[in-house]
Amino acid sequence: DQQVKQNSPSLSVQEGRISILNCDYTNSMFDYFLWYKKYPAEGPTFLISISSIKDKNEDGRFTVFLNKSAKHLSLHIVPSQPGDSAVYFCAASELTGGGNKLTFGTGTQLKVEL
Amino acid sequence: SQTIHQWPATLVQPVGSPLSLECTVEGTSNPNLYWYRQAAGRGLQLLFYSVGIGQISSEVPQNLSASRPQDRQFILSSKKLLLSDSGFYLCAWSVPRRSANEQFFGPGTRLTVL
Repeated sequence: DQQVKQNSPSLSVQEGRISILNCDYTNSMFDYFLWYKKYPAEGPTFLISISSIKDKNEDGRFTVFLNKSAKHLSLHIVPSQPGDSAVYFCAASELTGGGNKLTFGTGTQLKVEL
Repeated sequence: SQTIHQWPATLVQPVGSPLSLECTVEGTSNPNLYWYRQAAGRGLQLLFYSVGIGQISSEVPQNLSASRPQDRQFILSSKKLLLSDSGFYLCAWSVPRRSANEQFFGPGTRLTVL
């Protein structure tokens, strides 16, 4: 049962254009949503998050949009740069017993071309 | 600043051999700790999490176990490895009860079981 889905395994964008990465979820109990960036053979790096009570959060070139009614979120990167080429994971958080559990999607490989 | 260490970085083990992966966190006290696995072409799957010394929660029934002998030390073990245990293992930490819920990942261990 995949509670967090990233239906696009890959995305190719030209440098300077906008990259839009999508994510869908099914569990209404998720209270935060996060995006991570991952290079091969490295741990994921936290990029940006959004609370379930908000619909937009912006940090520099990165903006995350949340449509709670559609259970959909997206990450916009603008302008895209070659260094943005990586796998991007969407994750959803739910509180549990003093901690929080993250459920990850399967990732989208972003390639930014010159 | 906080740092998280994992070792070894890579490991090749025969089927049926034992396993011990270690994770330590510096620069913070009483962190929540997590073990994830990324199988080839898959997302990150939460295996175990811990909110304190000796407190371990298992997410997925499997051939692995976890222990937390010290506040900032988290160990992933197996008595007998299976081929299906191959993957990229990631340790992560988070601040307890922090509202943004982001988790911070270590560099990972690439385990190959032959």
